Amino acid sequence: DTEVTQTPKHLVMGMTNKKSLKCEQHMGHRAMYWYKQKAKKPPELMFVYSYEKLSINESVPSRFSPECPNSSLLNLHLHALQPEDSALYLCASSRGFSGYNEQFFGPGTRLTVL
Amino acid sequence: GNSVTQMEGPVTLSEEAFLTINCTYTATGYPSLFWYVQYPGEGLQLLLKATKADDKGSNKGFEATYRKETTSFHLEKGSVQVSDSAVYFCALSEPPQGGSEKLVFGKGMKLTVNP
Repeated sequence: DTEVTQTPKHLVMGMTNKKSLKCEQHMGHRAMYWYKQKAKKPPELMFVYSYEKLSINESVPSRFSPECPNSSLLNLHLHALQPEDSALYLCASSRGFSGYNEQFFGPGTRLTVL
Repeated sequence: GNSVTQMEGPVTLSEEAFLTINCTYTATGYPSLFWYVQYPGEGLQLLLKATKADDKGSNKGFEATYRKETTSFHLEKGSVQVSDSAVYFCALSEPPQGGSEKLVFGKGMKLTVNP
């Protein structure tokens, strides 16, 4: 299995809602990433988990809360989002061992905040 | 800090035309270099990579060579197809921190290939 899967594919939420995005990989990768991508822009890194510990937080607002329950799963909990948070949210994973390893991306969750 | 500069387009080509997308980088040390492709409505897919100077990455008819002397990693394809229509991102990988690598992306270039 060489896939990163993400659910849901699309999500529409109001500014007072709480929702979660889910990401899963079964490649034995030990590093997992959340990115935010606005239209016609490259992905922007939000969070990195390495060996199930949060290793990088790119100064993301607290209304985004990541969680890594185990080495295969990565969640992004959303609360009190703003319309400007509407974007494509991408999950990625990499082997996490020494050396420069490519990141494998999921298909993304298209989020719309009303 | 590290950075990647690439052609932004958009670019429109006819089928079977030659494609070059320029990419140059600024980095300390010896990064790995990547080309990612994003088809409409999808996530990013790794197209090819190179991990050291003079390495050539190739995949699906695309090629790019890691040129340390010119700090470049230009993407080429001899004959594009309609199915190559996508956004192409050049990226470098910063040195690992605690078992993960940060990718630095160029701004992306949208390619449209017409029949």
